[in-house]
Amino acid sequence: EAAVTQSPRNKVTVTGGNVTLSCRQTNSHNYMYWYRQDTGHGLRLIHYSYGAGNLQIGDVPDGYKATRTTQEDFFLLLELASPSQTSLYFCASSGDWGSSYEQYFGPGTRLTVL
Amino acid sequence: GDSVTQTEGLVTLTEGLPVMLNCTYQTIYSNPFLFWYVQHLNESPRLLLKSFTDNKRTEHQGFHATLHKSSSSFHLQKSSAQLSDSALYYCAPLSGSFNKLTFGAGTRLAVCP
Repeated sequence: EAAVTQSPRNKVTVTGGNVTLSCRQTNSHNYMYWYRQDTGHGLRLIHYSYGAGNLQIGDVPDGYKATRTTQEDFFLLLELASPSQTSLYFCASSGDWGSSYEQYFGPGTRLTVL
Repeated sequence: GDSVTQTEGLVTLTEGLPVMLNCTYQTIYSNPFLFWYVQHLNESPRLLLKSFTDNKRTEHQGFHATLHKSSSSFHLQKSSAQLSDSALYYCAPLSGSFNKLTFGAGTRLAVCP
């Protein structure tokens, strides 16, 4: 069974604060993704990556940075958090054709920016 | 870029009635890959079913869908709704670069006794 873990599971910070969300996958997948989920907007892609050191900009990247340090680890950074970034964040990983491109999601991190 | 349109908002059904959640998509790829993901309350999204083949019915856990390239559709159906089907459903085409999925806003299904 594919495994994606996220930490922390819940985080509260203040406006202007610095936040790092962590994601680790043990699926040996090359692709990793960060999404945010908001009512009425569904899942929106923030950043994604193909392998260590690779970063790609998603559909809603403003205010977010990301770093892929290893094949397993993908981090999302909010350097000056704002209330508009209050959301539920999901990390996901996927393989190639052999895994039918299925994305496996982590349990999510609920972030509140006061 | 790719886009997807789903049945909007909330669909409320009585247990035992059929389920039909609409999905139409736009993609630049001539051979689209389509996915349905399901997300139950307080859980993360997980794959429900997928299709890469035109006009072929795919089934999983009582749900089925058929990819129709001619109408750019991939509607999700089930013959008889169960209480446990209450969840948020996402349709998503695969975007060829980096295996991205383009998710819509999702359709929330509520099944009542």
